[in-house]
Amino acid sequence: NAGVTQTPKFQVLKTGQSMTLQCAQDMNHNSMYWYRQDPGMGLRLIYYSASEGTTDKGEVPNGYNVSRLNKREFSLRLESAAPSQTSVYFCASKGNGQGSNQPQHFGDGTRLSIL
Amino acid sequence: TQLLEQSPQFLSIQEGENLTVYCNSSSVFSSLQWYRQEPGEGPVLLVTVVTGGEVKKLKRLTFQFGDARKDSSLHITAAQPGDTGLYLCAGASGGSNYKLTFGKGTLLTVNP
Repeated sequence: NAGVTQTPKFQVLKTGQSMTLQCAQDMNHNSMYWYRQDPGMGLRLIYYSASEGTTDKGEVPNGYNVSRLNKREFSLRLESAAPSQTSVYFCASKGNGQGSNQPQHFGDGTRLSIL
Repeated sequence: TQLLEQSPQFLSIQEGENLTVYCNSSSVFSSLQWYRQEPGEGPVLLVTVVTGGEVKKLKRLTFQFGDARKDSSLHITAAQPGDTGLYLCAGASGGSNYKLTFGKGTLLTVNP
């Protein structure tokens, strides 16, 4: 049972470098999400995709872009990494069904350090 | 902007003690979800409460949704070291809103 798979698990970048965080889910979920988690700040939504072909900004979208490649995959791109983007990034998908009460299923995170 | 305030932020107790974690907001939510997160892993859903006044039990964990659906609590009876982790509450706004609002979490440490 893979669920939500994130790659890579760890990454160190230099300021100004770019990279893409990959996320794939095998539960046939329509909605997918990218969060960042920082100490004392909880989980903050970066971008989400309610369904294949759509993406929307969350609470902290600046400096990031996303692509919903297909129903399974939702990637997060940092075009020019900054030290403020050092964080743990989580991808999640949400079960299908009525409304927003369905639970979200999370990957194990990507730990990203920007030097 | 909807906010969820969790308290306490940190809690360190001895095995066998009871504890309560609170999740409060000035906004009404269609449901409240509680997640637990262990180090190096993503959050995992514990329970969803939907109806105002609802109480759900999961072994030694008791979850309650406030009558006005603005607040929730998590009570753990006879805590064990395996309960150690970060507990997160998350509110859903309902309808076609696909987003959750997360609290900042309560980091619980249960010492043997």
